[in-house]
Amino acid sequence: DVVMTQSPLSLPGTLGQPASISCRSSQGLVHSDGNTYLSWFHQRPGQSPRRLIYKVSNRDSGVPDRFSGSGSGTDFTLKISRVEAEDVGVYYCMQYTQWPRTFGPGTKVDIK
Amino acid sequence: EVQLLESGGDLVQPGGSLRLSCVASGLTFRNYVLNWVRQAPGKGLEWVSSISGTTGNTYHADSVKGRFAISRDDSKNTLYLHMSSLEAEDTAVYYCTRNWGNDYWGQGTLVIVSS
Repeated sequence: DVVMTQSPLSLPGTLGQPASISCRSSQGLVHSDGNTYLSWFHQRPGQSPRRLIYKVSNRDSGVPDRFSGSGSGTDFTLKISRVEAEDVGVYYCMQYTQWPRTFGPGTKVDIK
Repeated sequence: EVQLLESGGDLVQPGGSLRLSCVASGLTFRNYVLNWVRQAPGKGLEWVSSISGTTGNTYHADSVKGRFAISRDDSKNTLYLHMSSLEAEDTAVYYCTRNWGNDYWGQGTLVIVSS
């Protein structure tokens, strides 16, 4: 199985300041079709997860442009250019290149 | 607007069975891959099962293989998860999601396995 790790696991953000979450996979995530299937999700307390980013760097409809995804191979990053109060919650990365699909452990973001 | 609405969660004894349902609206149901993802209380996300829209192929996590079965009824726009031989470790909120990349999520249904 592909093991997904995230760092940090806890991130005290500062309003208006940038924040970054790292996600690493135990194996490369390039599919035989040439795509890299890595997504990011945000889950607010008491809510269902919401997808923010798919295929490493593509923002979903309605996701603010302060969120961006990057990376390749086994190393991926989610960046928030300016943290806002509504960004609190847990962020998960997930790979869907290989079976079984696997999620990272989550990074909890709160406001300092 | 795409909506996924799960139901069927309940308190069940260890060794028992349960069937979860997910009714979809706002999409051409038969065209899509559908999935079940679960989240144990206070824990992270775990992929459980997927079913293809075109081939009907099914995929299950090792932790549920042989105990859970995913199925779909395209005429009813409904996804199912048939759960048997339930264990305490299956206690979780079960989410229905769309597409390989889980672009849409339902609100979840809670399964508690306890005596």
